[in-house]
Amino acid sequence: AQSVTQLGSHVSVSEGALVLLRCNYSSSVPPYLFWYVQYPNQGLQLLLKYTSAATLVKGINGFEAEFKKSETSFHLTKPSAHMSDAAEYFCAVSLSGNTPLVFGKGTRLSVIA
Amino acid sequence: EAGVAQSPRYKIIEKRQSVAFWCNPISGHATLYWYQQILGQGPKLLIQFQNNGVVDDSQLPKDRFSAERLKGVDSTLKIQPAKLEDSAVYLCASSLTMGPPEGYTFGSGTRLTVV
Repeated sequence: AQSVTQLGSHVSVSEGALVLLRCNYSSSVPPYLFWYVQYPNQGLQLLLKYTSAATLVKGINGFEAEFKKSETSFHLTKPSAHMSDAAEYFCAVSLSGNTPLVFGKGTRLSVIA
Repeated sequence: EAGVAQSPRYKIIEKRQSVAFWCNPISGHATLYWYQQILGQGPKLLIQFQNNGVVDDSQLPKDRFSAERLKGVDSTLKIQPAKLEDSAVYLCASSLTMGPPEGYTFGSGTRLTVV
């Protein structure tokens, strides 16, 4: 069965500091991996996705993630945090084909001025 | 393009009452999903439709939850009777096809409070 584990339910960084949100996956076959962001009282917005092309994936708002098969990880990073990055971030996995997305429990990112 | 539309945005009901949520996906998207997001957790799939057929409803509590997508476009999710533990945000999402996944487009959700 596919699953993702997000380490840390809450991460706090200073404005301008590096953002690192961790995600490890469990899958019996090479997966598709996604990061979504959720702002308060809104739906989920796709940040980026890995679909077996380049292992370093660039997304919107300056975020990127690197797929590391040896570590079964897909961590999300941003070099410099902005106040507007404060939100809930979800990692999700899907096997190829018809299987729907399975989400992690989420990491709430706080940005301190 | 217009996004995924959901209504209502908020709903408060008493336990044992019934409630229905509506979703209109992006035009042309064949696949539609309903997810339940309990406070502090990630979204959990309730049901997946491909056009007007059910692909996966293995996690739908069928004794109280039902969903339909009669003409392969709009969808309705119903809860009857509601329990306190049904308090959550109900998210609808759509995608062009089932796979390979291009990522889903989510609506803003319906926040249900059962008192």
